Amino acid sequence: GENVEQHPSTLSVQEGDSAVIKCTYSDSASNYFPWYKQELGKGPQLIIDIRSNVGEKKDQRIAVTLNKTAKHFSLHITETQPEDSAVYFCAASPITGGGNKLTFGTGTQLKVEL
Amino acid sequence: NAGVTQTPKFRVLKTGQSMTLLCAQDMNHEYMYWYRQDPGMGLRLIHYSVGEGTTAKGEVPDGYNVSRLKKQNFLLGLESAAPSQTSVYFCASSWTRQLSGNTIYFGEGSWLTVV
Repeated sequence: GENVEQHPSTLSVQEGDSAVIKCTYSDSASNYFPWYKQELGKGPQLIIDIRSNVGEKKDQRIAVTLNKTAKHFSLHITETQPEDSAVYFCAASPITGGGNKLTFGTGTQLKVEL
Repeated sequence: NAGVTQTPKFRVLKTGQSMTLLCAQDMNHEYMYWYRQDPGMGLRLIHYSVGEGTTAKGEVPDGYNVSRLKKQNFLLGLESAAPSQTSVYFCASSWTRQLSGNTIYFGEGSWLTVV
């Protein structure tokens, strides 16, 4: 089955700096890669996703890049703000029948310091 | 907009007791899921359903049962709770892939402690 590794497990940046979180996956059949943000005491919320026919996707201060050859994808947050502090999860799944069986990474605790 | 609602939010069980977690979604989603979240292990899929009356095993199904009698509800049962089932449980739902892709919406979580 799929195995997703995520690094780093904790990340501390100064407000205004950029943050980068990296994930690798093992199953070459995976072609959907979402990123979730989880605030304390809340459920994960989708912030951006990318499909394998696209190498990069951007949404305001958030961008995701995908390298299918190397089987890795990354989340980039620019001009970080205190409200970006949360746990971020990457995930991967094949777009096939039988349900969206996402495999999640172990999460990155991002802390944006003033 | 309620989205995905889980009850109860907090529960303490004694070893061997049984309980049911209820999940309800008001988005008319076909697919529903139960995940558990443990420190350092991310989210792991317990069971899922691709439509009313259907269920399937996920990555960590042992010790749990599920039912999807109504499209909007997905129940997770623990028949004989064990301390290893202490965790945060998340219900989620999504459209069928054909309609609008793979976006999965999560509930707020249910904190379960087994003593």
